[in-house]
Amino acid sequence: DAGITQSPRHKVTETGTPVTLRCHQTENHRYMYWYRQDPGHGLRLIHYSYGVKDTDKGEVSDGYSVSRSKTEDFLLTLESATSSQTSVYFCAISAGGGTGGNQPQHFGDGTRLSIL
Amino acid sequence: EDQVTQSPEALRLQEGESSSLNCSYTVSGLRGLFWYRQDPGKGPEFLFTLYSAGEEKEKERLKATLTKKESFLHITAPKPEDSATYLCALTGANSKLTFGKGITLSVRP
Repeated sequence: DAGITQSPRHKVTETGTPVTLRCHQTENHRYMYWYRQDPGHGLRLIHYSYGVKDTDKGEVSDGYSVSRSKTEDFLLTLESATSSQTSVYFCAISAGGGTGGNQPQHFGDGTRLSIL
Repeated sequence: EDQVTQSPEALRLQEGESSSLNCSYTVSGLRGLFWYRQDPGKGPEFLFTLYSAGEEKEKERLKATLTKKESFLHITAPKPEDSATYLCALTGANSKLTFGKGITLSVRP
């Protein structure tokens, strides 16, 4: 199994509060990704990183920011959480490139986030 | 825009009853087609990558095949532990990974 740890695994918070989700990898892969998974929508890319301090937006990036200060850690922040951001968030890593190269992405077990 | 359509949405099989899951796609310049398995409360688990039409990959009771328009995940003599959601995804020339919505497979003992 790919060494990916997401924390926390579950979180309940209130509208308007900041939330930070953490993804930690032990594979030394260059590429890291944040997705959200919602019924009827499948997996959608929020942001991704192609190296330390190098990040870019995905298809649903509004309301989210990311940071990557070390190869192994990729943080997703909701600056002011809204109920529409209630979802399951997955981190993924890949050895090969862009928003999706020809190398598979490997996923963590997700964070279930509820915003009341 | 790349598109991935999986069918059926849900499939119920009896243990031992072989079947196939379909992934239809349109893409500009296929770079890779991926199959994943997802169990409830877990992240997608990588199964296979296919790169070109005619390619096949096999693992235990699962076999993935690829044509220019479709990929199939064949399940031979399934067991209850094969119950899961199976996701198809692909990357095209734009380097963007596009997922289908998944097929939920239930195998009854």
